[in-house]
Amino acid sequence: ETGVTQTPRHLVMGMTNKKSLKCEQHLGHNAMYWYKQSAKKPLELMFVYNFKEQTENNSVPSRFSPECPNSSHLFLHLHTLQPEDSALYLCASSRGGGSSYNEQFFGPGTRLTVL
Amino acid sequence: AQKVTQAQTEISVVEKEDVTLDCVYETRDTTYYLFWYKQPPSGELVFLIRRNSFDEQNEISGRYSWNFQKSTSSFNFTITASQVVDSAVYFCALSEANNNNDMRFGAGTRLTVKP
Repeated sequence: ETGVTQTPRHLVMGMTNKKSLKCEQHLGHNAMYWYKQSAKKPLELMFVYNFKEQTENNSVPSRFSPECPNSSHLFLHLHTLQPEDSALYLCASSRGGGSSYNEQFFGPGTRLTVL
Repeated sequence: AQKVTQAQTEISVVEKEDVTLDCVYETRDTTYYLFWYKQPPSGELVFLIRRNSFDEQNEISGRYSWNFQKSTSSFNFTITASQVVDSAVYFCALSEANNNNDMRFGAGTRLTVKP
């Protein structure tokens, strides 16, 4: 089974819609991450959760709202998005509460298009 | 804050050629970790290697090799006898021991290997 899964793989939404992205990891990790990957830009870290507690919010607009109900699941709730939010949203997980040493395991991403 | 630069945006080679992907980093920490990831067309980033700042020994894994040089703050990646399946975007990343969870990625290098 794939270590980190994301659903949906593709999402098209209008600026007034509300949608959620889901991420699930089957690796027994304790840290989970959301990244945004836009064309021709480095990956941008958005949120980090360690043991279900949010430990990082990289100045992300409030129209993005994360939720981590347990260490295996991570959601990104979207509302009132802008066209410039269109991007690939990647979820990742790692061991050990998010230590700098640990490599991250990524899901395949959700390709989001905001009309 | 740490920074990773991958100056090569795109590289195109013919199968069986050797290719080197450059990575230059900046950090003020003495303890840090460097990573390479591969992102195939399917989207998920795949972890390739981690190096810590105290281990400058070069590494070889099959057709892949990595050259870590602290003197030039570089962590270059060479693929020997490239294959079409090596076509992907490759990311170099850096995390600092004193800055948990904040892995900074370079902009990536898109490698195309033509048959």
